[in-house]
Amino acid sequence: NAGVTQTPKFQVLKTGQSMTLQCAQDMNHNSMYWYRQDPGMGLRLIYYSASEGTTDKGEVPNGYNVSRLNKREFSLRLESAAPSQTSVYFCASSSRTGNNSPLHFGNGTRLTVT
Amino acid sequence: EDQVTQSPEALRLQEGESSSLNCSYTVSGLRGLFWYRQDPGKGPEFLFTLYSAGEEKEKERLKATLTKKESFLHITAPKPEDSATYLCAVQRQTGANNLFFGTGTRLTVIP
Repeated sequence: NAGVTQTPKFQVLKTGQSMTLQCAQDMNHNSMYWYRQDPGMGLRLIYYSASEGTTDKGEVPNGYNVSRLNKREFSLRLESAAPSQTSVYFCASSSRTGNNSPLHFGNGTRLTVT
Repeated sequence: EDQVTQSPEALRLQEGESSSLNCSYTVSGLRGLFWYRQDPGKGPEFLFTLYSAGEEKEKERLKATLTKKESFLHITAPKPEDSATYLCAVQRQTGANNLFFGTGTRLTVIP
């Protein structure tokens, strides 16, 4: 049971470079999410996809774009990386959005922007 | 304003020394409160969901309780393998983007 798989695990970018973080889940969940985790702050929602074909902004969407490629896959793109985007990024999935379905998280991508 | 505050930020316990972690919250209509465990270098792992005041859930050495203003995660006779960061999150009744996380309590259990 893979659950939620994120790639890559680590990445170093220079300011202005672009990259895509990949996420896939094998639990047949409808909803998927991208969070960032910074020291001293709670997990903050970047974007989410309530169901295949829909995406919505979360709390901190600026500088990011997402694509829900199919039911399994949800990618996060940084078009022009900035040092403020240095963080640990987590992808998560749940059976539905907004109800009591718990989130299932991947193991994160640790991104450093220099 | 919806808010989740966890205390203490860090807690060191001797093996076998029981204690409690606190999650205080203010939210306009609670749908549910979640506890997660996060090990270093890993993603959060779901532990419990609590829905209403007075509810309790247990798993091994952990017991979570809920009141109208806070939740406690009680750890009985902890072992070193219980060392982790414990995260609390509350879900508001309304809205799709309605889940708010605390900053966590980092628990270290010393053999």
